[in-house]
Amino acid sequence: AQSVTQLDSQVPVFEEAPVELRCNYSSSVSVYLFWYVQYPNQGLQLLLKYLSGSTLVKGINGFEAEFNKSQTSFHLRKPSVHISDTAEYFCAVSRSGAGSYQLTFGKGTKLSVIP
Amino acid sequence: EPEVTQTPSHQVTQMGQEVILRCVPISNHLYFYWYRQILGQKVEFLVSFYNNEISEKSEIFDDQFSVERPDGSNFTLKIRSTKLEDSAMYFCASRGGQGAENGDTQYFGPGTRLTVL
Repeated sequence: AQSVTQLDSQVPVFEEAPVELRCNYSSSVSVYLFWYVQYPNQGLQLLLKYLSGSTLVKGINGFEAEFNKSQTSFHLRKPSVHISDTAEYFCAVSRSGAGSYQLTFGKGTKLSVIP
Repeated sequence: EPEVTQTPSHQVTQMGQEVILRCVPISNHLYFYWYRQILGQKVEFLVSFYNNEISEKSEIFDDQFSVERPDGSNFTLKIRSTKLEDSAMYFCASRGGQGAENGDTQYFGPGTRLTVL
């Protein structure tokens, strides 16, 4: 089984400041890692994913994340946030490889961008 | 861009009633999922469906729940006798699978908010 921990439930940050949203996972097997974003009253949209290869992955809207296997982390970063980035961000993990593997989500981090 | 759609967007029902939540996954996707998110809590896996049968299910997915793919496009979640604690946002997702572009990624619908009174 896999588990995901997002330590920060809420992160306020000023506009144009950098932000890091933390995610740690636990798994006994190889995993894929994902970050999804949920804007108010909307569904989940994929931001980026790590499957294999380069540990630094880039996603939409200027976000990037780095996979660190030794620390079992997949932190999300953006160098300069905008008001429009205000949303809830979910880190998720699934088993790697073929199959209908479920996603296990963290509890989410609410990012509030302050003008 | 293809997307997952869900209907209705909001369903209100009385405790003990049956509800059917409907989803149209992305065309040509092979794997289908239902998740739920109780207000203020994390998104939880309910069930996955592949090749016309359930492939995985969680503890939440008890005998009150069932899924069906009645035709080539729809994927439904039925709750036979709703309880107050079934009130949640229910998300459908689909994934293309091997050979498909981004076949490893689950794409989510906008959700159906179920309110049980």
